[in-house]
Amino acid sequence: EDQVTQSPEALRLQEGESSSLNCSYTVSGLRGLFWYRQDPGKGPEFLFTLYSAGEEKEKERLKATLTKKESFLHITAPKPEDSATYLCAVQAGGSGGYQKVTFGTGTKLQVIP
Amino acid sequence: DGGITQSPKYLFRKEGQNVTLSCEQNLNHDAMYWYRQDPGQGLRLIYYSQIVNDFQKGDIAEGYSVSREKKESFPLTVTSAQKNPTAFYLCASKGNSPLHFGNGTRLTVT
Repeated sequence: EDQVTQSPEALRLQEGESSSLNCSYTVSGLRGLFWYRQDPGKGPEFLFTLYSAGEEKEKERLKATLTKKESFLHITAPKPEDSATYLCAVQAGGSGGYQKVTFGTGTKLQVIP
Repeated sequence: DGGITQSPKYLFRKEGQNVTLSCEQNLNHDAMYWYRQDPGQGLRLIYYSQIVNDFQKGDIAEGYSVSREKKESFPLTVTSAQKNPTAFYLCASKGNSPLHFGNGTRLTVT
């Protein structure tokens, strides 16, 4: 069974204090690993897709990396507006046109001014 | 702007009543999905539809029903058979892209 484990559950940072969020996964036939940002009371907003080990993607203060067993979301010099829950998800290979997406429980990030 | 519209944002119902959550997309995506989100749990798939007039059960379909009569619309009915219906419900669609989500409906059943 596909599994996604995110750590830590919650993270509190001072503004400007860089850190990383972890997403460990087990999946049969990885087709893609996704990072989303979710604000309270809103739907998840897509950030990145990673497809193969060694791949990296960047957007503003965020950088996502991927190995064969885990992904990291690095946050450099965070600002209060980066406060949100960050979700990781993996898409497995499948038959019949449907490829299951399994989500982790998220890391709730709070950035304090 | 293309996107997914879920309505209403908040919904309150008495136990024993069926309730229908609306999901409309103008992204021209073939596939649509319903997820349920509870505190401390990852998103769980309720139903999905890859094409009009076809849909499949997800991991937690019991107590829910859907229809897909139009490409743009994928309403979810929460029936009285669903034992714990209070939750945040998210609709998503997918083309040649990652899942794109609406802003959810928070359902409270008392």
